[in-house]
Amino acid sequence: EVQLVESGGGLVQPGRSMKLSCAASGFTFNNYDMAWVCQAPKKGLEWVATISYDGSSTYYRDSVKGRFTISRDNAKSTLYLQMDSLRSEDTATYYCARHTTALGFDYWGQGVMVTVSS
Amino acid sequence: DIQMTQSPASLSASLGETVTIECLASEDIYSNLAWYQQKPGKSPQLLIYYANSLNDGVPSRFSGSGSGTQYSLKINSLQSEDVSIYFCQQNYDSPFTFGSGTKLEIK
Repeated sequence: EVQLVESGGGLVQPGRSMKLSCAASGFTFNNYDMAWVCQAPKKGLEWVATISYDGSSTYYRDSVKGRFTISRDNAKSTLYLQMDSLRSEDTATYYCARHTTALGFDYWGQGVMVTVSS
Repeated sequence: DIQMTQSPASLSASLGETVTIECLASEDIYSNLAWYQQKPGKSPQLLIYYANSLNDGVPSRFSGSGSGTQYSLKINSLQSEDVSIYFCQQNYDSPFTFGSGTKLEIK
């Protein structure tokens, strides 16, 4: 059974940093691209970033370029999102998701809440 | 960026009815279109991929169609467990954009 379990969320002040983790199991992690998708409270879904199966390629939405870094450790089957220079508009639930070219986001974690506030 | 315009924003229908949700892409996305269901308080789940392919375990009352820039999700014989928000998403090009969602309620 595919499982994606996020951790690392919470309350953080504007301008500070936070790192999210996503532990994957139930599939061969290093065969798949992975992504982060966020959802602001009572709002829609927004793709944040994707990393290729081997970590060689990364893609970001414009609003997080230069501030967020997606990475992975295939030996640990873990995906990360380093978030720097956080802004109030980054407040959202962040989902880890498996991202395939053919299917889209076919498995999602339970999500982790990040609140950026002073 | 490819814009995804989803309609309607909300929908109310009776049990057993058929409902349709539309999604319009700002340019041709060559059927690289997915539909997701998000039940209250839960993570999204993939329903349909590549415009018309049903994901494993999804009931056959769900179906997708369309091509080019116009796509739709149809739900036949509406059930109470279908109360959710539905999102379309283009998987053709980065940034991978979602529609704004359709909230489906039972009358």
